Amino acid sequence: QKEVEQDPGPLSVPEGAIVSLNCTYSNSAFQYFMWYRQYSRKGPELLMYTYSSGNKEDGRFTAQVDKSSKYISLFIRDSQPSDSATYLCAMSALMDSSYKLIFGSGTRLLVRP
Amino acid sequence: NAGVTQTPKFRILKIGQSMTLQCTQDMNHNYMYWYRQDPGMGLKLIYYSVGAGITDKGEVPNGYNVSRSTTEDFPLRLELAAPSQTSVYFCASSSAGGSGANVLTFGAGSRLTVL
Repeated sequence: QKEVEQDPGPLSVPEGAIVSLNCTYSNSAFQYFMWYRQYSRKGPELLMYTYSSGNKEDGRFTAQVDKSSKYISLFIRDSQPSDSATYLCAMSALMDSSYKLIFGSGTRLLVRP
Repeated sequence: NAGVTQTPKFRILKIGQSMTLQCTQDMNHNYMYWYRQDPGMGLKLIYYSVGAGITDKGEVPNGYNVSRSTTEDFPLRLELAAPSQTSVYFCASSSAGGSGANVLTFGAGSRLTVL
């Protein structure tokens, strides 16, 4: 079983839709949760970062962490064609005296005009 | 402000050849990383460095070597290239690698094909 599971998609939605992207994880030690966005032929860039449980909002993006269910989500409101990209979740935990960062495999999102 | 710069962007190698992927950052970050990204497999850590002169293996180090002589540069060496090393390679850096809040800045990637 992978430590972090993410549906690869592709997820295709019409412009203006609300998008929900999700990751599940198996290690309850994860405390820091991140979402990276990766455009085609580019490197990942940090979109949002949260610590522990709860919600965090930044413009059209909301990150949600449910540690009891080991489940994190990224919501995109009023999705735009420019949101078309691959979204990678990432999470870190203290393991063997150092922090270990694990990435999900990414979900490809296509927002149709 | 260039961030993390990788060269080359694309390269085709023959089996058994060697090459070096270059990575440089101008943010004075202590921590630097090399990842490979294969389709559907996410990012796998190859090697990392916590500062000049210090390197350590990640999850998939076999077939690779690194050095860190300066804070800015972190080249990745492929010896005796194999088809299994066909991948997209990303260099990244961070200022907080020793903490859980480890936000990485990535380069644009180097696409390597081994035939």
